Parts: sequence; structure tokens; C-alpha cells
Amino acid sequence: DAKTTQPPSMDCAEGRAANLPCNHSTISGNEYVYWYRQIHSQGPQYIIHGLKNNETNEMASLIITEDRKSSTLILPHATLRDTAVYYCIVAGYSTLTFGKGTMLLVSP
Amino acid sequence: DVKVTQSSRYLVKRTGEKVFLECVQDMDHENMFWYRQDPGLGLRLIYFSYDVKMKEKGDIPEGYSVSREKKERFSLILESASTNQTSMYLCASSPGLAGTYNEQFFGPGTRLTVL
Repeated sequence: DAKTTQPPSMDCAEGRAANLPCNHSTISGNEYVYWYRQIHSQGPQYIIHGLKNNETNEMASLIITEDRKSSTLILPHATLRDTAVYYCIVAGYSTLTFGKGTMLLVSP
Repeated sequence: DVKVTQSSRYLVKRTGEKVFLECVQDMDHENMFWYRQDPGLGLRLIYFSYDVKMKEKGDIPEGYSVSREKKERFSLILESASTNQTSMYLCASSPGLAGTYNEQFFGPGTRLTVL
């Protein structure tokens, strides 16, 4: 059963911010939100995760709503190399379940 | 730099052969995972291990076994390969520290074809 809902695809212009949404209305109190991405023909790459506070690292920012029912991954200045499938995953101290993700296409 | 390596990028085997897929990580991680990825089905967890000689079944363990004799190495074994095991196999590892269990680092994958 999918715990998250993501749009199947999104477009973004190079240099602009890419904002990828994710709904997780049934998230439990001890579950984290994880974001991974998979560039074609490569293994998935961990991006960021958070529990309830917003998080930022060198790759992206994660904004989690106060009720924790949704989140947004922000790539502040998208490049062509950010074209990939982005997975939003909810998990506690349990294994990850990958859904279909969002195919982000960054265009010149 | 963090590294997970898999023994082969591409592999072709015949039905009924015993197949070994090897995965090595150099990060001293406690946890290791094997997934397969198929079009339309996404990534599915086959087996994982949280310590040497320990293993746990994932979502689709049937037809597979695993071995973890050393911390850095996790092997996936297909005892008798079948055509429906043609797939991309991905290995991953993660630290055992609280909060980092699911911060997994993936290898490049092995594309296995069973004829």
C-alpha cells in the first residue's frame, strides 16, 4: 500500500527552483520522510530526510508542513543533471518502500 | 567518498544455473540490503542484513538466499536461476546509528539476464 502520493512527472527550467510535492496524510508520529532520486541507469541516491523540522543540506531543502501530512523537496537551482526520478518515502525504523516517484525533467 | 561496489554491471546466465551476486561496501556500515528493480514495479526489497551472519527476509525473498560472512560483504544467491529473475539488482548499505538506518547508499546495480 502506497503511503505517499507524488505527481508522476514535473518540468523545470534550468536555473530555476524545482519544488517537488509529496502527500503522506497517514504518516505516524515516529516516521521520517525520506527523499531519494534515481538518475537513469544508476542506483538511487539518498538526498535528505526529516521528522518534523525543515532540513537543508548541500543538495536540497525539505519543507514539512506543521501537521506532517505533506512535504516539499526543493532543489534551489536545478541543473540538467538533476533530471531524475524522485522518490518520497515514509518510514520509521523499518525498511524503505519505494513507490513510482516523480520524473523531473530539467530543460535548458 | 562513500562506496558500494557490485561484482558485475551486466551478467547473462542460463536457466537452472546457480548465480552469485556480490556486494562490497567500504563504509563499515552495519546494514546491507538487496533489491530488484523491474519496470512498472519499482524497487522491491529481497533480503537485508543488520549484522554479520544475520539476515532478514524482505518483501520478495522466494527463489533467493543471502550470505553475510564479513561485515563489508553481502552476497545474493540464486540457487537455480529462472527467467523471471531477469532484472536489475541493486545493493545498498546504511549505518546502524539511530536515525540513519534508512540513509542508504546504493551500488550501481547488476543487470542480470537469465536465458
